[in-house]
Amino acid sequence: GEDVEQSLFLSVREGDSSVINCTYTDSSSTYLYWYKQEPGAGLQLLTYIFSNMDMKQDQRLTVLLNKKDKHLSLRIADTQTGDSAIYFCAESKVDSNYQLIWGAGTKLIIKP
Amino acid sequence: DAGVTQSPTHLIKTRGQQVTLRCSPKSGHDTVSWYQQALGQGPQFIFQYYEEEERQRGNFPDRFSGHQFPNYSSELNVNALLLGDSALYLCASSRTGYMNTEAFFGQGTRLTVV
Repeated sequence: GEDVEQSLFLSVREGDSSVINCTYTDSSSTYLYWYKQEPGAGLQLLTYIFSNMDMKQDQRLTVLLNKKDKHLSLRIADTQTGDSAIYFCAESKVDSNYQLIWGAGTKLIIKP
Repeated sequence: DAGVTQSPTHLIKTRGQQVTLRCSPKSGHDTVSWYQQALGQGPQFIFQYYEEEERQRGNFPDRFSGHQFPNYSSELNVNALLLGDSALYLCASSRTGYMNTEAFFGQGTRLTVV
């Protein structure tokens, strides 16, 4: 089946690291993505990882993939107020023309 | 390059009415996908258009239909509106054959059905 699950909220202090978690059930997923949605804005692709990778790092962002447990995480180092947003995990497969299956999103709240 | 543009930004309709939403893809993109995002939820795939044809469809009733024009722009039509159709409708454009690292989203159309 296709189902992506995320926690609804995460609260962190400014300057700390944020870790947003996601689980998926379709082991044939080919690509996994993290998108950011700010109020009044469209969805912005942050980063993605191929299913045959374990980790990907891009500046303050680190993506970890545990394919055995079907667990994906996004770590944001040195979290800033500008990181406040909803973060969506999504998966897609080549044989579905990369149709995206989305989680419900995790709202990241930054405490001063 | 204006990116993906959607119109209108907000819309209020009455139950039973029909609505048309519009999307202009990013320059160089030939594929348009439509998503429905209900409040507090992730987007749900409605359908995808390529070469003026519906290539793929999600689990949405026939009340939801679309069109793609020769210039790659697209319309989403919803007939017989229900209160449950209230949502943010997102358009994403991409180049066919490319994975979603190439997909760009518009800011969406907020549809409210009363």
